[in-house]
Amino acid sequence: AQSVTQPDIHITVSEGASLELRCNYSYGATPYLFWYVQSPGQGLQLLLKYFSGDTLVQGIKGFEAEFKRSQSSFNLRKPSVHWSDAAEYFCAVGAGRGTYKYIFGTGTRLKVLA
Amino acid sequence: GAGVSQSPRYKVTKRGQDVTLRCDPISSHATLYWYQQALGQGPEFLTYFNYEAQPDKSGLPSDRFSAERPEGSISTLTIQRTEQRDSAMYRCASSETSGRGETQYFGPGTRLLVL
Repeated sequence: AQSVTQPDIHITVSEGASLELRCNYSYGATPYLFWYVQSPGQGLQLLLKYFSGDTLVQGIKGFEAEFKRSQSSFNLRKPSVHWSDAAEYFCAVGAGRGTYKYIFGTGTRLKVLA
Repeated sequence: GAGVSQSPRYKVTKRGQDVTLRCDPISSHATLYWYQQALGQGPEFLTYFNYEAQPDKSGLPSDRFSAERPEGSISTLTIQRTEQRDSAMYRCASSETSGRGETQYFGPGTRLLVL
C-alpha cells in the first residue's frame, strides 16, 4: 500500500540556518510527489511538486526538493530559513489511477528561533 | 471565487447530532475533494467529485458520512449521528481536473468538535 513517512515531528532551526525536512514514500509506480505548507489559520499551500524529469525541483518561497528514487525520498530544503517559514509542512504522494487521491505524511512542525 | 472557502470554520456539536459542512471551490475547477485530518495526522482522503459525479467514496469512514455536489459547484459533507471520534479538521480542495498531477488547492478547513 502507498504510504508517506515524515520521520521528524518537530524541527527547530535558527533564523538564517539551512533546513532539510525528510520525506520517504512507498509507491509501486512512478510517484507524483508534493510538498505543502500549512500556516496557522490557513489552508494547505503548495510549495512544489515533482512528476518526472529533473530530480531537483524548485518551488515558491525559496524552497527546493530533490527526488531520489533509490532512497524513495523527496526531501525539502531551504538554504536560509526566515522566521516566517515557521509552519507545518506536509509531504504527499499522488495515488490512485488518476493520482487524485493524495496520501499525506503526518507533517513536520518547524519552529524558527530568532 | 479567488480561493477555496469553507464554512463554518468551527463547529461544536453534541454527540448524536447531524452536521453539514460546506465547501465553495474555485469557480473554474471541475474537481472537488474532501479530506479528514485528525489531530497530529496528515489529511486523509474521504471522497471526490468531478462536477456532480462522485466516482470515489472509498475514504468515507462509515455510512453516516455522505457528500453531495448537486450542481457541480458547491459541495456539502454531512455527518449523521455524530460521534466523538468524528472530531477532526475537515478539509476541502479543488483542482481544474482530476488528471495526473493536478494541483489541489485547499481551503482553510472546518474544525469539528463533537462533545
